[in-house]
Amino acid sequence: NAGVTQTPKFRVLKTGQSMTLLCAQDMNHEYMYWYRQDPGMGLRLIHYSVGEGTTAKGEVPDGYNVSRLKKQNFLLGLESAAPSQTSVYFCASSSGDTSYEQYFGPGTRLTVT
Amino acid sequence: SQKIEQNSEALNIQEGKTATLTCNYTNYSPAYLQWYRQDPGRGPVFLLLIRENEKEKRKERLKVTFDTTLKQSLFHITASQPADSATYLCAQPATSGTYKYIFGTGTRLKVLA
Repeated sequence: NAGVTQTPKFRVLKTGQSMTLLCAQDMNHEYMYWYRQDPGMGLRLIHYSVGEGTTAKGEVPDGYNVSRLKKQNFLLGLESAAPSQTSVYFCASSSGDTSYEQYFGPGTRLTVT
Repeated sequence: SQKIEQNSEALNIQEGKTATLTCNYTNYSPAYLQWYRQDPGRGPVFLLLIRENEKEKRKERLKVTFDTTLKQSLFHITASQPADSATYLCAQPATSGTYKYIFGTGTRLKVLA
């Protein structure tokens, strides 16, 4: 049982390049989330999904797109990376039961130059 | 919009003492609050959830209180150990009945041997 995994762990992009971050969970969770974490800002929700085929905007969605084609995967895309998107990105999942516990992945450190 | 405030200054305490961390929130009172632990370079790990009708919740050396009048949750670690050194995050639903979450910036705790 791997829990929540994220690919890649590190990435450096040039301004204007695109990339996709992959999140996978093997716990059959309904809910999945993408957060970014910046110094002094805490975790901020980018997009989330309440089930396969659904997505919704979080607090800071601009510049990102997501897809949840399969229940176990949640993809985060950057179409045209900007230096302001330099951050650590965390994916999380939860079952949606009354524990509301979120399980987080190990994070992806992205640098945009 | 809903906001969570945690003391951004690091908290240093001596081993064996009780550490107390504060989480204050604005606007609406959430149905529950969560506390997470985050170690450097890792994703947050869920510790405890406390509901609005629970004044106090305990788990081993951890204790959480929830005061809806003060709009505050306190997180206590008794008999603290150097291994408790980490950043502790408070989280809650962004609005009532949602699976969209907001996190505080976290308080870094250092337990000195």
